[in-house]
Amino acid sequence: DAKTTQPTSMDCAEGRAANLPCNHSTISGNEYVYWYRQIHSQGPQYIIHGLKNNETNEMASLIITEDRKSSTLILPHATLRDTAVYYCIVRVNNAGNMLTFGGGTRLMVKP
Amino acid sequence: DTGVSQDPRHKITKRGQNVTFRCDPISEHNRLYWYRQTLGQGPEFLTYFQNEAQLEKSRLLSDRFSAERPKGSFSTLEIQRTEQGDSAMYLCASSQLANERGYTFGSGTRLTVV
Repeated sequence: DAKTTQPTSMDCAEGRAANLPCNHSTISGNEYVYWYRQIHSQGPQYIIHGLKNNETNEMASLIITEDRKSSTLILPHATLRDTAVYYCIVRVNNAGNMLTFGGGTRLMVKP
Repeated sequence: DTGVSQDPRHKITKRGQNVTFRCDPISEHNRLYWYRQTLGQGPEFLTYFQNEAQLEKSRLLSDRFSAERPKGSFSTLEIQRTEQGDSAMYLCASSQLANERGYTFGSGTRLTVV
Protein backbone atom coordinates (compact mmCIF):
# COMPACT_ATOMS: atom_id res chain seq x y z
CA ASP A 1 0.00 0.00 0.00
CA ALA A 2 1.13 3.55 -0.75
CA LYS A 3 2.39 5.62 2.16
CA THR A 4 0.62 8.73 3.34
CA THR A 5 1.85 11.92 4.96
CA GLN A 6 -0.26 13.87 7.42
CA PRO A 7 0.43 16.76 9.77
CA THR A 8 1.06 15.56 13.30
CA SER A 9 -1.50 17.84 14.88
CA MET A 10 -4.08 20.52 14.12
CA ASP A 11 -6.40 22.76 16.08
CA CYS A 12 -9.87 23.84 15.07
CA ALA A 13 -12.42 26.13 16.70
CA GLU A 14 -15.72 24.56 17.64
CA GLY A 15 -18.36 25.18 14.97
CA ARG A 16 -15.82 25.87 12.24
CA ALA A 17 -14.85 23.54 9.43
CA ALA A 18 -11.90 21.25 10.07
CA ASN A 19 -9.83 20.54 6.96
CA LEU A 20 -7.41 17.67 7.38
CA PRO A 21 -4.88 17.20 4.56
CA CYS A 22 -3.21 14.02 3.42
CA ASN A 23 -0.49 13.48 0.82
CA HIS A 24 -0.33 10.17 -1.03
CA SER A 25 1.85 10.97 -4.02
CA THR A 26 2.67 7.32 -4.79
CA ILE A 27 -0.94 6.12 -4.86
CA SER A 28 -1.71 3.48 -7.48
CA GLY A 29 -4.65 3.59 -9.82
CA ASN A 30 -6.54 0.84 -7.98
CA GLU A 31 -5.95 2.21 -4.47
CA TYR A 32 -8.71 3.94 -2.57
CA VAL A 33 -8.29 6.68 0.01
CA TYR A 34 -9.79 5.76 3.38
CA TRP A 35 -10.21 7.88 6.48
CA TYR A 36 -10.61 6.54 9.98
CA ARG A 37 -10.60 8.31 13.30
CA GLN A 38 -9.78 7.15 16.79
CA ILE A 39 -11.25 8.81 19.81
CA HIS A 40 -9.31 8.35 23.03
CA SER A 41 -9.56 4.80 24.45
CA GLN A 42 -11.68 3.52 21.58
CA GLY A 43 -10.95 1.53 18.44
CA PRO A 44 -10.63 3.30 15.07
CA GLN A 45 -13.89 4.23 13.41
CA TYR A 46 -14.51 4.31 9.65
CA ILE A 47 -15.38 7.78 8.33
CA ILE A 48 -15.37 7.77 4.54
CA HIS A 49 -13.53 6.49 1.50
CA GLY A 50 -13.18 7.33 -2.19
CA LEU A 51 -11.34 6.50 -5.39
CA LYS A 52 -11.27 9.69 -7.45
CA ASN A 53 -14.60 11.45 -7.08
CA ASN A 54 -15.39 13.63 -4.12
CA GLU A 55 -17.52 11.89 -1.54
CA THR A 56 -19.87 13.08 1.19
CA ASN A 57 -21.69 11.27 3.94
CA GLU A 58 -23.30 12.17 7.24
CA MET A 59 -19.94 12.47 8.96
CA ALA A 60 -17.65 14.23 6.52
CA SER A 61 -16.66 15.15 2.98
CA LEU A 62 -13.65 13.82 1.12
CA ILE A 63 -12.01 15.93 -1.57
CA ILE A 64 -9.49 14.12 -3.78
CA THR A 65 -7.32 16.11 -6.15
CA GLU A 66 -7.56 15.36 -9.84
CA ASP A 67 -4.10 13.76 -9.89
CA ARG A 68 -5.07 11.77 -6.75
CA LYS A 69 -1.82 12.63 -5.05
CA SER A 70 -3.51 14.33 -2.14
CA SER A 71 -6.85 14.57 -0.39
CA THR A 72 -8.62 16.57 2.28
CA LEU A 73 -11.09 15.37 4.85
CA ILE A 74 -13.58 18.06 5.79
CA LEU A 75 -15.63 18.07 8.97
CA PRO A 76 -18.04 20.90 8.15
CA HIS A 77 -18.97 21.97 11.67
CA ALA A 78 -16.48 20.55 14.14
CA THR A 79 -17.67 19.78 17.67
CA LEU A 80 -15.70 18.95 20.79
CA ARG A 81 -16.58 15.29 20.21
CA ASP A 82 -14.61 15.39 16.95
CA THR A 83 -11.38 15.67 18.95
CA ALA A 84 -9.52 12.52 17.86
CA VAL A 85 -6.64 11.14 15.84
CA TYR A 86 -7.51 11.01 12.13
CA TYR A 87 -5.84 8.44 9.93
CA CYS A 88 -5.56 8.65 6.15
CA ILE A 89 -4.93 5.26 4.54
CA VAL A 90 -4.63 4.16 0.94
CA ARG A 91 -5.37 0.57 0.04
CA VAL A 92 -6.62 -1.65 -2.68
CA ASN A 93 -10.33 -2.13 -2.18
CA ASN A 94 -10.21 -5.75 -1.15
CA ALA A 95 -11.50 -6.80 2.23
CA GLY A 96 -8.55 -9.15 2.68
CA ASN A 97 -6.06 -6.34 2.33
CA MET A 98 -5.17 -5.11 5.77
CA LEU A 99 -5.25 -1.46 6.76
CA THR A 100 -1.81 0.04 7.31
CA PHE A 101 -1.99 2.94 9.75
CA GLY A 102 0.49 5.77 9.92
CA GLY A 103 0.78 8.25 12.76
CA GLY A 104 -2.34 10.21 11.83
CA THR A 105 -3.28 13.80 12.65
CA ARG A 106 -4.29 14.66 16.19
CA LEU A 107 -7.19 17.11 15.82
CA MET A 108 -8.01 19.21 18.83
CA VAL A 109 -11.34 21.03 18.64
CA LYS A 110 -11.35 23.96 21.03
CA PRO A 111 -14.33 25.87 22.43
CA ASP B 1 -25.30 -3.89 20.35
CA THR B 2 -24.05 -5.93 17.39
CA GLY B 3 -20.57 -4.38 17.17
CA VAL B 4 -17.21 -6.06 17.75
CA SER B 5 -16.78 -7.08 21.39
CA GLN B 6 -13.48 -7.57 23.16
CA ASP B 7 -12.89 -9.04 26.58
CA PRO B 8 -11.42 -8.04 28.93
CA ARG B 9 -11.15 -4.28 28.47
CA HIS B 10 -8.16 -4.09 30.76
CA LYS B 11 -5.63 -6.67 31.92
CA ILE B 12 -2.73 -6.21 34.31
CA THR B 13 -0.34 -9.12 34.53
CA LYS B 14 3.07 -9.89 35.92
CA ARG B 15 5.96 -10.43 33.58
CA GLY B 16 6.26 -14.07 32.60
CA GLN B 17 2.57 -14.86 32.95
CA ASN B 18 0.34 -15.99 30.07
CA VAL B 19 -2.68 -13.96 29.03
CA THR B 20 -5.57 -14.63 26.65
CA PHE B 21 -7.88 -12.12 25.04
CA ARG B 22 -11.16 -12.79 23.32
CA CYS B 23 -12.81 -11.09 20.35
CA ASP B 24 -16.40 -11.58 19.19
CA PRO B 25 -16.81 -10.13 15.69
CA ILE B 26 -20.00 -8.97 14.01
CA SER B 27 -21.83 -12.22 13.37
CA GLU B 28 -22.03 -12.06 9.57
CA HIS B 29 -18.41 -10.98 9.15
CA ASN B 30 -16.14 -13.74 7.94
CA ARG B 31 -12.83 -11.86 8.28
CA LEU B 32 -11.27 -11.08 11.63
CA TYR B 33 -8.13 -9.04 12.30
CA TRP B 34 -5.88 -8.44 15.28
CA TYR B 35 -3.88 -5.24 15.68
CA ARG B 36 -1.59 -3.91 18.40
CA GLN B 37 -1.27 -0.25 19.32
CA THR B 38 1.33 1.30 21.57
CA LEU B 39 1.04 4.77 23.07
CA GLY B 40 1.20 7.54 20.49
CA GLN B 41 1.40 5.18 17.52
CA GLY B 42 -1.11 3.99 14.97
CA PRO B 43 -2.38 0.41 15.14
CA GLU B 44 -0.03 -2.27 13.75
CA PHE B 45 -1.32 -5.35 11.97
CA LEU B 46 -0.71 -8.69 13.70
CA THR B 47 -2.77 -11.34 11.93
CA TYR B 48 -6.05 -12.08 10.19
CA PHE B 49 -8.47 -14.92 9.66
CA GLN B 50 -10.93 -15.73 6.96
CA ASN B 51 -13.46 -17.96 8.67
CA GLU B 52 -11.31 -20.36 10.73
CA ALA B 53 -8.21 -20.13 8.51
CA GLN B 54 -5.36 -17.88 9.63
CA LEU B 55 -4.25 -16.38 6.32
CA GLU B 56 -1.52 -13.95 7.26
CA LYS B 57 0.76 -13.21 10.19
CA SER B 58 2.94 -10.16 10.70
CA ARG B 59 6.59 -10.41 11.68
CA LEU B 60 5.46 -8.66 14.86
CA LEU B 61 3.74 -11.89 15.89
CA SER B 62 6.56 -13.64 17.70
CA ASP B 63 6.52 -17.29 18.76
CA ARG B 64 5.04 -16.23 22.10
CA PHE B 65 1.88 -15.04 20.36
CA SER B 66 -0.79 -17.37 19.04
CA ALA B 67 -4.22 -16.63 17.66
CA GLU B 68 -7.09 -18.98 16.97
CA ARG B 69 -10.54 -18.81 15.51
CA PRO B 70 -11.70 -22.39 15.94
CA LYS B 71 -15.21 -22.24 14.56
CA GLY B 72 -14.91 -19.19 12.38
CA SER B 73 -16.74 -17.06 14.92
CA PHE B 74 -14.95 -15.69 17.99
CA SER B 75 -11.18 -15.49 18.17
CA THR B 76 -8.60 -15.65 20.95
CA LEU B 77 -5.15 -14.10 21.11
CA GLU B 78 -2.76 -15.65 23.62
CA ILE B 79 0.54 -14.20 24.74
CA GLN B 80 2.85 -16.57 26.57
CA ARG B 81 5.60 -15.48 28.96
CA THR B 82 4.61 -11.84 28.77
CA GLU B 83 7.27 -9.16 28.64
CA GLN B 84 7.02 -5.49 29.52
CA GLY B 85 7.28 -4.66 25.82
CA ASP B 86 3.97 -6.46 25.26
CA SER B 87 2.17 -3.66 27.09
CA ALA B 88 -0.17 -2.19 24.50
CA MET B 89 -3.76 -1.95 23.33
CA TYR B 90 -4.81 -5.06 21.41
CA LEU B 91 -7.51 -4.29 18.88
CA CYS B 92 -9.76 -6.68 17.04
CA ALA B 93 -11.66 -5.83 13.87
CA SER B 94 -13.95 -7.69 11.52
CA SER B 95 -15.24 -7.27 7.97
CA GLN B 96 -17.26 -9.01 5.34
CA LEU B 97 -15.49 -10.53 2.38
CA ALA B 98 -16.61 -7.84 -0.01
CA ASN B 99 -17.03 -4.90 2.32
CA GLU B 100 -15.82 -1.66 0.79
CA ARG B 101 -16.12 0.18 4.09
CA GLY B 102 -13.16 -1.65 5.55
CA TYR B 103 -13.31 -2.83 9.10
CA THR B 104 -15.34 -2.43 12.23
CA PHE B 105 -13.06 -2.25 15.25
CA GLY B 106 -13.73 -3.22 18.83
CA SER B 107 -12.75 -1.01 21.75
CA GLY B 108 -9.65 -3.06 22.45
CA THR B 109 -8.01 -4.78 25.40
CA ARG B 110 -5.39 -2.72 27.21
CA LEU B 111 -2.60 -4.94 28.52
CA THR B 112 -0.18 -3.74 31.16
CA VAL B 113 2.74 -6.00 32.03
CA VAL B 114 4.36 -5.14 35.35
